[in-house]
Formats: sequence, C-alpha cells, structure tokens
Amino acid sequence: DAGVIQSPRHEVTEMGQEVTLRCKPISGHDYLFWYRQTMMRGLELLIYFNNNVPIDDSGMPEDRFSAKMPNASFSTLKIQPSEPRDSAVYFCASSGQEESVTDTEAFFGQGTRLTVV
Amino acid sequence: SQQGEEDPQALSIQEGENATMNCSYKTSINNLQWYRQNSGRGLVHLILIRSNEREKHSGRLRVTLDTSKKSSSLLITASRAADTASYFCATVRSYGQNFVFGPGTRLSVLP
Repeated sequence: DAGVIQSPRHEVTEMGQEVTLRCKPISGHDYLFWYRQTMMRGLELLIYFNNNVPIDDSGMPEDRFSAKMPNASFSTLKIQPSEPRDSAVYFCASSGQEESVTDTEAFFGQGTRLTVV
Repeated sequence: SQQGEEDPQALSIQEGENATMNCSYKTSINNLQWYRQNSGRGLVHLILIRSNEREKHSGRLRVTLDTSKKSSSLLITASRAADTASYFCATVRSYGQNFVFGPGTRLSVLP
C-alpha cells in the first residue's frame, strides 16, 4: 500500500476562495482523521470518521469548514471562504483494526501546506 | 482539549548522547504512543505502550509509562544526527476514540 495520500501538497489561494483538500486513506482502514498543524496551536483534530460516518466534528473551527467521506477510499476537507488565518498544514491520517483492537496506530499523509493570502 | 503535554519543548544534544523527552496527560488512557515528525513531513509512529505496561523497548527507543502519575518518557539512546526531528506523544482513551497529540519536543542532534 502506498500509504495515506493527500493532495495537493501545497496550495496557495487568495482570501475568499474555496479550497478543497483531498485524502485517500490506507485500504482497509475504517477510521479517518483530519488534523491541522500550526506553530501556535500545534496539532489539532478537526474531525474524524468511522466507516465513512463523521463521529466527532467538534474541532471544526467554523461553518466555513466542512468535511465529507463519500466512500471508504476518499475524503475531502473544504474551506469556503478561506481566510489568512486558515494558513496551516493539514494532515489526513487513517487507522484500522489490528489483531488487538486496542493497538491501533495512526498513519499520516504528507500533509497539505495551505497558504491563504 | 489537548491531553498530552511534552517537555522539554526543545532539546539540543551532541551525537552519541541520550535524549529523554517526557509526556504528561490528564485522563485515563488505553494506550500511549510516540510519533516522530521530520521537517515538512507527516508524523510517523514509533512505539506504543499499553496502559497495563510499564516499559517497552524498540531498538534504541525506550518508553516508560507511569499511569499513577499520568506520565510517560521516551529515551533515545546513542543519538544520531538523523534523529533530529519533532517528537509527539499521543494518547488513546479507547478504541474508536481519536488520537490526542501533545505540542511536541523539537530534538536537535548536533554532529
């Protein structure tokens, strides 16, 4: 498996524009997480899904942020309209059941560096 | 809210020395994990310790867990320049819960 794949790797956009970040989790994983990383706030959980269903979106900062997982192999994080304070690195991670259901680890993508000017 | 808190925030050592990073957390956990992040890359899982374990080894890594103090430490022995990275602890309360990451420790290993 190629791991968690995120696209694009870098995105520069103007304030007010819509931004869509994409993620392909590892095949067979039933959990998908979206994190945002900044110097000031560290790594923050935005939302996570189980079997394509959103479980906890309490970390989504505002209504401008939305996330979908239409199927087990694809998820999007959309920001509309984007603002300069949304500039950050956005990570997608997936995890799945191991032999022991308690021993799961998160596999991260390479991240999307978003700059809103 | 953030659960894990690492200290120190930054650590600079010479190659060959040992590096110790600590993590504290607030609630009960199922397991605690350590991750590494190289600059500009995603996090990579290093080691997991269950709540009923006290110590675990993997190569040059040694992790301890003290559930009574709600703390963990990561020891990297005989450090190398290639160990330069940020290290994060993450706690998992139970399966199906999210991974909660601390702010991380930036480790610099000088050649």
